Amino acid sequence: QSALTQPASVSGSPGQSITISCTGTSSDVAAYNYVSWYQQHPGKAPKLMIYDVSNRPSGVSNRFSGSKSGNTASLTISGLQAEDEADYYCSSYTYRSTQVFGTGTKVTVL
Amino acid sequence: EVQLLESGGGVVQPGGSLRLSCGASGFTFSNYAMSWVRQTPGKGLEWVSDIRGSGVSTYHADSVEGRFTISRDDSKNTLYLQMNSLRAEDTAVYYCAKFTGYSSRGGGFDYWGQGTLVTVSS
Repeated sequence: QSALTQPASVSGSPGQSITISCTGTSSDVAAYNYVSWYQQHPGKAPKLMIYDVSNRPSGVSNRFSGSKSGNTASLTISGLQAEDEADYYCSSYTYRSTQVFGTGTKVTVL
Repeated sequence: EVQLLESGGGVVQPGGSLRLSCGASGFTFSNYAMSWVRQTPGKGLEWVSDIRGSGVSTYHADSVEGRFTISRDDSKNTLYLQMNSLRAEDTAVYYCAKFTGYSSRGGGFDYWGQGTLVTVSS
């Protein structure tokens, strides 16, 4: 199972919106509405930000939103803040009942 | 408060074995799917294995199939990963993670441990 494809880096200024893409295949992202997104700060464990494409766990800021079209899922961060600087990973359920992560995106706040 | 605490990491020679444990508290362990996810230092996340609630089903990544085995003891609230025939490329921080539901079909990993480092080197 190949990793989902994410851009290596995305940057934006405080207050701006950025979008991170996550491209999979007909066997994972396109097949199921089971895409999740994780934020990881250096030296820390990942944190669930979005599940089932567009649902936010309690406690996660509504500045984070998710969507999907075909085999590409997206995470949008609006009103970018310094604390949003981190690595972000998508993940999808697959036709083999397994999980696959994305390659990861480093978000830089300029 | 949900807590996951991994243990068992260390240095092992290629071809060797290691068993990781993950002690869970703060939730009804048997009701949730659990998983192992690893991360090579400075690199991305890789899903390794998962086990459904009550251990009814297990799944492993192709990269570890036949070498690693995930299991759980619901009476001890503990998740395990038996790792055999270890290779240099298995060197990583191994995280224990809890799913949001009984199955890993849908939801996500809502709680993670702090990770335990496994180093495979001669």
